[in-house]
Amino acid sequence: DGGITQSPKYLFRKEGQNVTLSCEQNLNHDAMYWYRQDPGQGLRLIYYSQIVNDFQKGDIAEGYSVSREKKESFPLTVTSAQKNPTAFYLCASSGQFYSPLHFGNGTRLTVT
Amino acid sequence: LAKTTQPISMDSYEGQEVNITCSHNNIATNDYITWYQQFPSQGPRFIIQGYKTKVTNEVASLFIPADRKSSTLSLPRVSLSDTAVYYCLVGIYNTDKLIFGTGTRLQVFP
Repeated sequence: DGGITQSPKYLFRKEGQNVTLSCEQNLNHDAMYWYRQDPGQGLRLIYYSQIVNDFQKGDIAEGYSVSREKKESFPLTVTSAQKNPTAFYLCASSGQFYSPLHFGNGTRLTVT
Repeated sequence: LAKTTQPISMDSYEGQEVNITCSHNNIATNDYITWYQQFPSQGPRFIIQGYKTKVTNEVASLFIPADRKSSTLSLPRVSLSDTAVYYCLVGIYNTDKLIFGTGTRLQVFP
């Protein structure tokens, strides 16, 4: 059963700690994306990757980092430099041009 | 660069047809439009995609007029379970640029 898996569903961290959110897909998609969603707001692009070992900054990349060592995996690290990290984080993937995005079910990160 | 705007919210009753419009000025001929549905605490789900005239699938229709300055998602005979936020997405042809709309919160009443 193909899809995108994000883990964990809920994550709690203390301020000043780095935290890594997992995203795995078995759809054989080349492109993967990370979005941030704040309560009642739309989706904002953090990072995306079109191919293994390559990624680009999105609109709000500051305070975040990613890696793309495998086609299936695109982990996102929220660093202590991110001023307001508490949010709902969504990972997505897509195939070739015009292929729709497939989203995971998100990770809700709370930093106190 | 294309900018997409949607109404913030809409209300409807069960059994009615709902039309949600996305305004996207300056999109090119081969740029495509995709619509997603999102329930609380879940990832958005694909509804429909097209780049010109009309596309229909088992759950919705998508209308894109000739001037391509807007697109309309049409949901026939909505039910309570259609209460969700709906996003349009403009994909810029031959680039990796994706532009999400602001989202429309649809509330369906019995």
